[in-house]
Amino acid sequence: GDSVTQMEGPVTLSEEAFLTINCTYTATGYPSLFWYVQYPGEGLQLLLKATKADDKGSNKGFEATYRKETTSFHLEKGSVQVSDSAVYFCAPLTTDSWGKLQFGAGTQVVVTP
Amino acid sequence: DAGITQSPRYKITETGRQVTLMCHQTWSHSYMFWYRQDLGHGLRLIYYSAAADITDKGEVPDGYVVSRSKTENFPLTLESATRSQTSVYFCASSQPGTASGYTFGSGTRLTVV
Repeated sequence: GDSVTQMEGPVTLSEEAFLTINCTYTATGYPSLFWYVQYPGEGLQLLLKATKADDKGSNKGFEATYRKETTSFHLEKGSVQVSDSAVYFCAPLTTDSWGKLQFGAGTQVVVTP
Repeated sequence: DAGITQSPRYKITETGRQVTLMCHQTWSHSYMFWYRQDLGHGLRLIYYSAAADITDKGEVPDGYVVSRSKTENFPLTLESATRSQTSVYFCASSQPGTASGYTFGSGTRLTVV
C-alpha cells in the first residue's frame, strides 16, 4: 500500500539557518503531495502542495518540489525563524477512490534565537 | 463562521463512560475524517466518511463509533472510555476531486481518568 517516510526529529536549528526535511513516498500512480504544519497546541494547517511532477509548491518562504523520479517531496526554507518551530507532516494523497491523505510521522523543528 | 469546528476543546471523563466528540463543517465537503494524535504514533485514522450515511473504518477503529446523518456533522463516540483513549482527536474534511487536501479542526484533548 501507499506509505510515506519522513526524517526523524527533532531537528534543532539556529535562527536564519537553512532547513531541509526529507520526505519520500511509495504510491500507485502520481499522487498529489502536501506538507502540513502543526504549531504547538493547534491543529494541522496546509502549508503547501504540488499536484504533478516537477511542480513546486511554496508558501511562507517554504518550498517543495515534486520529484517523480525519486518519489520525493523534500521541504526547504532558506532562513528559518523562531516562529517556524512546529511539527511538519508530509502527506501524499492516495490514489484510491477514497482519496485519503497518508501522513508521515511528522518532524519536529525547533528554532532557537 | 465558516470552517470546521470541534467541541468540546477539552474533556475529562471517567473510565467506562460514554463520551461524544462533535465535529461540524460549513463547506458541505463530502469527505470527513477522525484522527487521533499520540506521542510516538503521529496521526492515526479512526474512521472516515464519504457522504451522509457512508462511513468506514480506518486504522484504529476499536472502541469508537461514528455516525453521519447530515453532511455537515460527523460525531465520534467512545462507547466505554478507556485510559488508552486519552489522546488529542482531530476532525478533518475535504472535497474529493479538488486536490485541495484536508482542512482540520482545532482538536479535542480528551483525558480518561
